[in-house]
Amino acid sequence: GAGVSQSPSNKVTEKGKDVELRCDPISGHTALYWYRQSLGQGLEFLIYFQGNSAPDKSGLPSDRFSAERTGGSVSTLTIQRTQQEDSAVYLCASSSGGLTAETQYFGPGTRLLVL
Amino acid sequence: AQSVAQPEDQVNVAEGNPLTVKCTYSVSGNPYLFWYVQYPNRGLQFLLKYITGDNLVKGSYGFEAEFNKSQTSFHLKKPSALVSDSALYFCAVRDKGTGSARQLTFGSGTQLTVLP
Repeated sequence: GAGVSQSPSNKVTEKGKDVELRCDPISGHTALYWYRQSLGQGLEFLIYFQGNSAPDKSGLPSDRFSAERTGGSVSTLTIQRTQQEDSAVYLCASSSGGLTAETQYFGPGTRLLVL
Repeated sequence: AQSVAQPEDQVNVAEGNPLTVKCTYSVSGNPYLFWYVQYPNRGLQFLLKYITGDNLVKGSYGFEAEFNKSQTSFHLKKPSALVSDSALYFCAVRDKGTGSARQLTFGSGTQLTVLP
């Protein structure tokens, strides 16, 4: 079956502009996660959605970052007033129900470059 | 709080030789442990996980990992390395506790290079 898809695959933007990154999880998966992979920083958690519950936003680095998930499926991560330090690969993952033992399946990522 | 350490940034091994990629973890309770692999310009691909039971876990592509509770380790192993195994490997942990966060905590990654 289809895996997690993300778009765009690459995004180049100018400092101060807003960007939107999209994630389409595996069909039927109710849990969705966003992570950021920066050079020298490893992977860091950003936000987690589970069904209709309020999202866990504890990993968002600043109020310039926000995310929504419409209809329990597609998610959009928005970064406002981008800064050069936002340059990274943004990875989305989904799992079937959000249980702690579940495997998270990752998309190919969006590579963001802020000039 | 949960954390993962991958003490080696880089591991080099000759093709056909056994490989080991090290991982140690820290959680307040009991862990779920995962290994992922990342090829260039690709997302993370799941290899294997430890939930409970047998300490030796077998996964994709001939990889296996051994859970050692006393040493808080979960090293990734393969008996005979292939050049195509060259990639970036990540260990990840999540606490089993019911009140624990659902996200994974990742190590910093280990670049494995298998030399022909």
